[in-house]
Amino acid sequence: DSGVTQTPKHLITATGQRVTLRCSPRSGDLSVYWYQQSLDQGLQFLIQYYNGEERAKGNILERFSAQQFPDLHSELNLSSLELGDSALYFCASSPPGGPSTDTQYFGPGTRLTVL
Amino acid sequence: SQQGEEDPQALSIQEGENATMNCSYKTSINNLQWYRQNSGRGLVHLILIRSNEREKHSGRLRVTLDTSKKSSSLLITASRAADTASYFCATDVYNNNDMRFGAGTRLTVKP
Repeated sequence: DSGVTQTPKHLITATGQRVTLRCSPRSGDLSVYWYQQSLDQGLQFLIQYYNGEERAKGNILERFSAQQFPDLHSELNLSSLELGDSALYFCASSPPGGPSTDTQYFGPGTRLTVL
Repeated sequence: SQQGEEDPQALSIQEGENATMNCSYKTSINNLQWYRQNSGRGLVHLILIRSNEREKHSGRLRVTLDTSKKSSSLLITASRAADTASYFCATDVYNNNDMRFGAGTRLTVKP
C-alpha cells in the first residue's frame, strides 16, 4: 500500500458526460501528479500540482482540468467524454524536496470506461 | 510525449535466470527511475539513479546509467515468478518538472 488513495476504483459512463476523479496523497506529500494509461498511448503525464499550485503540464486535453485543494487532495475533472478517454487514471504523490522530481508513490488507479 | 524507450518490449525467461531491460532517453536528465507495475495496478518505485551516478544496487536489482549514451539498464538477478510484471523507466527531465515514462518492458518469469 503506497498510502495514496484514489476514488472511485471503477467508473462507467457515457460519451459526452463529465466525471470527477479524486486523489488523496500520502501524508506529508505536497506534490500530486495525474497520469493516463491506455493500451495505445502508454503512461502519459497529464499535470502536476504542488501545494495547491499548478507546477507542470503534460499531455492534458482542454476538456480535462484538475485542482489541488488546501487539504492537498486533488481532483481530475474530465468532461465531454469520448470513447478514447477510456483508460486507467493514476494519481501519484511525492514528498517535498528540491527542484527535481523524486520518487513518486502511485495510487491504485481509477479505471474509466466510456461507452 | 514519451521520453524513455524500453527494450525489449517483452521478455520471457525461466525462474532463476537473470533479466536485463534497457532504457534509452532523449534529453538531459536529473535522474532516472525504474518502476514496476503488476497488471492493472499502480506503479511501484524500484530504484532511482541520479545523473552523476553510474551504478546502483538494491537487493537483486542492479541499475546502470550511461549519460553519454543516454541509456540505462535494469538487471534483475535470480528472477522469480513473482517478478512477472511490466517495468518502466522514467526520466526526470532537466529544467522540467514532469516525469516521462517509457512504454515499458513486459517481463514474464516462468516457474
